[in-house]
Amino acid sequence: DSGVTQTPKHLITATGQRVTLRCSPRSGDLSVYWYQQSLDQGLQFLIQYYNGEERAKGNILERFSAQQFPDLHSELNLSSLELGDSALYFCASSVRGQGNQETQYFGPGTRLLVL
Amino acid sequence: GENVEQHPSTLSVQEGDSAVIKCTYSDSASNYFPWYKQELGKGPQLIIDIRSNVGEKKDQRIAVTLNKTAKHFSLHITETQPEDSAVYFCAESGAGSYQLTFGKGTKLSVIP
Repeated sequence: DSGVTQTPKHLITATGQRVTLRCSPRSGDLSVYWYQQSLDQGLQFLIQYYNGEERAKGNILERFSAQQFPDLHSELNLSSLELGDSALYFCASSVRGQGNQETQYFGPGTRLLVL
Repeated sequence: GENVEQHPSTLSVQEGDSAVIKCTYSDSASNYFPWYKQELGKGPQLIIDIRSNVGEKKDQRIAVTLNKTAKHFSLHITETQPEDSAVYFCAESGAGSYQLTFGKGTKLSVIP
């Protein structure tokens, strides 16, 4: 158990809908990262938050957004869902996310299926 | 980091044999190289990492080597056991950038 929690574990929805994925980082970690894992694209970085502020953006679609709250949990919002958004979504956390590189600890993921 | 190539995509070894997985990267500014193990239905779990100022690191049956000149790094697992069966991912990140760029993964099967 990495100490990172993600809910829900599974999510089934229809095209055009909107969903919210939730992540709680390890106790004391200030930085949260979101990754998408699909069969064709592999594991891809989406976005990083550090202590409530957006720190870096990767291959994140405009239909996707995220935020980190004062209690440091983070939410990833996916809207206007398409079939191709079906994937595993992972959250990872690290203590700082700045300065020297740190280990990123991954949560168990949310499996999203868009029908 | 921009691109990470990982080989092989699948690897089968007999229990007790060694397994080697290799990755190459393109960004000369990359300075952090972790390896993750992912079991079915679980998130990636860090098994070992190496930074650019070190050429080799070992942790029991697992070792990682880094050749910065050639821009490649490798994972070595000795005395493999059935519980080593999983998908292994290499990754890298560069100075000032904390997002990880992952390889496509290697599915390792250890045959009892």
